[in-house]
Amino acid sequence: AQSVSQHNHHVILSEAASLELGCNYSYGGTVNLFWYVQYPGQHLQLLLKYFSGDPLVKGIKGFEAEFIKSKFSFNLRKPSVQWSDTAEYFCAVKGETQGGSEKLVFGKGTKLTVNP
Amino acid sequence: GAGVSQTPSNKVTEKGKYVELRCDPISGHTALYWYRQSLGQGPEFLIYFQGTGAADDSGLPNDRFFAVRPEGSVSTLKIQRTERGDSAVYLCASSPPSGSSGANVLTFGAGSRLTVL
Repeated sequence: AQSVSQHNHHVILSEAASLELGCNYSYGGTVNLFWYVQYPGQHLQLLLKYFSGDPLVKGIKGFEAEFIKSKFSFNLRKPSVQWSDTAEYFCAVKGETQGGSEKLVFGKGTKLTVNP
Repeated sequence: GAGVSQTPSNKVTEKGKYVELRCDPISGHTALYWYRQSLGQGPEFLIYFQGTGAADDSGLPNDRFFAVRPEGSVSTLKIQRTERGDSAVYLCASSPPSGSSGANVLTFGAGSRLTVL
């Protein structure tokens, strides 16, 4: 079964610091990978996605993520965070399953606090 | 509508009662998903529909939980004999048909917060 591990439960940074949030998944087949973000009081929004092609994908608000197949990883990065990036970040994977299910499996999330 | 709409936004009920949560997906989206999110956790998959049929219900925790989507649009999540452990935010999401623009990307609603006393 698919599973997703996010290593950091809570990350606290100062503005302008660089960010990297770890995500590893457990699945041996073809996968679609996603990062979703949930700002305080708002619903989940797509940050970026990887389906195929260039393993370095760029998303909204200056975020990017790199798919490293050999490491089963899809880490999220941003060179310089802003106070408005304070939110909870969720990594998710969708893999082809035997039964053809297209369910999306989420990690537990990483809470990011950016101090001004 | 413009987004995924969920009602009610908040529901407080007593242990043992029956609850229905409604999801109205984005028009034209054929796939509809239900997730449950407890405090400090990521969304936990419950069930998803392709059209009217449940394509995968492996996440439903037990037979007290049931979901329907009779006309391939609006879906209702039904919880019988609610327990305190059912308290969570129930999220609905939808996505366009395979092969279309935006396929495989889920758009989420704001959720229904269920509190069982």
